Amino acid sequence: GQQVMQIPQYQHVQEGEDFTTYCNSSTTLSNIQWYKQRPGGHPVFLIQLVKSGEVKKQKRLTFQFGEAKKNSSLHITATQTTDVGTYFCAGNLYNFNKFYFGSGTKLNVKP
Amino acid sequence: SAVISQKPSRDICQRGTSLTIQCQVDSQVTMMFWYRQQPGQSLTLIATANQGSEATYESGFVIDKFPISRPNLTFSTLTVSNMSPEDSSIYLCSVVSQWGTEAFFGQGTRLTVV
Repeated sequence: GQQVMQIPQYQHVQEGEDFTTYCNSSTTLSNIQWYKQRPGGHPVFLIQLVKSGEVKKQKRLTFQFGEAKKNSSLHITATQTTDVGTYFCAGNLYNFNKFYFGSGTKLNVKP
Repeated sequence: SAVISQKPSRDICQRGTSLTIQCQVDSQVTMMFWYRQQPGQSLTLIATANQGSEATYESGFVIDKFPISRPNLTFSTLTVSNMSPEDSSIYLCSVVSQWGTEAFFGQGTRLTVV
């Protein structure tokens, strides 16, 4: 079945340091989305990437979609304590409008 | 965006019993999904709730254990049947936006089976 893997599982950084999480799919994706889940909360949509090689930025967050549409990354520049949470990628297969979530990367930011 | 109301928010249940979780959306949506998230883990898709037809289950999930209803385009229920402690988890319903660009989630139901 569809598998979406993420690394690392955990990341502890000092406030101000950068952070990157990587997502890999076993199959080519129609699109990929990124979500953030705060402790005790539910996943909240961040962004969607559709095109091969696409790069999108949201303030300190940079999202990339690989050329083969099988991998993606999220990079946070100069982390802040408000960035704490678990970041999930979610892959969407062609012709199926449902999302398979990656294993998630839990980010902890020390002030 | 879609606003999803899910209830109960949490419950503690005896093993062998069943719990029905409700999901109400503030607008008509074509696709609704049920996920399970065990503590500290990712979200696992249980099934797609189809309006007017039987739900579509993912590998490892069966209708007898997780019967789903979808009587209309704004409402769905998930029942966790004959519960065991291994069913302790957070259950989330989700809908996809009209253009399939993002998923919205309910607040989740935290289930503990004792």
